[in-house]
Amino acid sequence: QVQLVQSGAEVKKPGASVKVSCKASGYTFTSYDINWVRQATGQGLEWMGWMNPNSGNTGYAQKFQGRVTMTRNTSISTAYMELSSLRSEDTAVYYCARGSLYDILTYYYYMDVWGKGTTVTVSS
Amino acid sequence: DIQMTQSPSSLSASVGDRVTITCRASQSISSYLNWYQQKPGKAPKLLIYAASSLQSGVPSRFSGSGSGTDFTLTISSLQPEDFATYYCQQSYSTPFQFTFGPGTKVDIK
Repeated sequence: QVQLVQSGAEVKKPGASVKVSCKASGYTFTSYDINWVRQATGQGLEWMGWMNPNSGNTGYAQKFQGRVTMTRNTSISTAYMELSSLRSEDTAVYYCARGSLYDILTYYYYMDVWGKGTTVTVSS
Repeated sequence: DIQMTQSPSSLSASVGDRVTITCRASQSISSYLNWYQQKPGKAPKLLIYAASSLQSGVPSRFSGSGSGTDFTLTISSLQPEDFATYYCQQSYSTPFQFTFGPGTKVDIK
């Protein structure tokens, strides 16, 4: 079945970096974007950015520009999200989500398959 | 940036009730609006895309409507498994700068 399997929980100190992985299975990895969305405890969803696994092209939310990097390894169908200069406010669950286009004429775009999330805790 | 608002922020309802959640965009987004359901401790689940298209496998009691700046998610007859938080999300911005609404929590009356 189509699924995204994320790496395990991380605990980091302020100022460090974290790299979360997202392994795709059940579909052609390079045919769909991967988006990253985070959620602090008790808060809403926050979109961080997207990556096209075929081209490697990326787009980041302005809030995370300069601090986030999204990459991929197509040989193992895995996407990565690295966030640097961590601070306590980055403590959250980080989700990867497959981005799908309804069609190229209308360009309706949505996130239809989600990983289970990776908890990142930033604490001294 | 396109800002999304939702109302109400929370509501209490009973099984069988008709529930309506509203989402508003800060500028016109045509029909580039998706709805997601999230249960505690779980990942979000896509319900509706392109404002009114039902995602495969989602029960028909869920429906979406609207275009431009004002959108609605309706649950025609609330079921026990529908108690959750619902988020709208715009996919209009190019290059992609997606934003979610703040969410609407639906709980048991």
